[in-house]
Amino acid sequence: DAGITQSPRHKVTETGTPVTLRCHQTENHRYMYWYRQDPGHGLRLIHYSYGVKDTDKGEVSDGYSVSRSKTEDFLLTLESATSSQTSVYFCAISALNPGNTIYFGEGSWLTVV
Amino acid sequence: SQQGEEDPQALSIQEGENATMNCSYKTSINNLQWYRQNSGRGLVHLILIRSNEREKHSGRLRVTLDTSKKSSSLLITASRAADTASYFCATREETSGSRLTFGEGTQLTVNP
Repeated sequence: DAGITQSPRHKVTETGTPVTLRCHQTENHRYMYWYRQDPGHGLRLIHYSYGVKDTDKGEVSDGYSVSRSKTEDFLLTLESATSSQTSVYFCAISALNPGNTIYFGEGSWLTVV
Repeated sequence: SQQGEEDPQALSIQEGENATMNCSYKTSINNLQWYRQNSGRGLVHLILIRSNEREKHSGRLRVTLDTSKKSSSLLITASRAADTASYFCATREETSGSRLTFGEGTQLTVNP
C-alpha cells in the first residue's frame, strides 16, 4: 500500500461546524489531491496541490479550503459543514512525472447531520 | 460533467467468463488509466495506456484505446470471484497537467 494515511477515517458532525480532514504521506510525492465520492457522481476533484503552499481548485471546490504547509501533509477544511458535504473523501498522491499513477488513501467517511 | 463515462454501469457474470467494460471521454488526452475499487476501500491503479498506444496487457487485463473514437475498453479474462469490484477509467487531459478526471465506474460482480 502507498504510504498514505487519512484521519479521521469516520466522523459524524453537525451542520454548521468546521471540519478538517488530514492526509499524511510518507512517499515525498509532489502532488496531492482531495476527491469526494458520491453515488451517481463517481470521484470529483475538490482541490489539489502541486507543492508546499501551492494549491488549486478542482471541479467542486465551493465550501472547501485546503492547506499544505509541509510536503507530507495536505489538509481539507469544511469551514461550515452542510448536509450536502456528507460523502466519502479520498486523498491521493502522485509523483512528479507527468502522466503518473495516482495512489489513493483508504478514505474518510464524513456524515453531516 | 465527467470526462470519462463507463459502460455498462453494472455487469454480472459467472466465474471463468470474460468481462468487458468500456469508457468514453470527451477531450484530447495524454493517457487513460483504469482503477479498481473494492467495497469500502480506496482506488487501486490497474493499468495506464498512453495516447500513442493502442493496446496494453497486464496479466489477465487487456486495455485498448481508440483516440479517434475517444474510447477505451478494459477486458478481464477468466474472471474470478475476487475480481468483484468497481472499475473506473480516468483520463489525464492534455490541458490539465497533473489532474485526473474519473468516470462513474462499472460495478462488476463475478458469481462463483
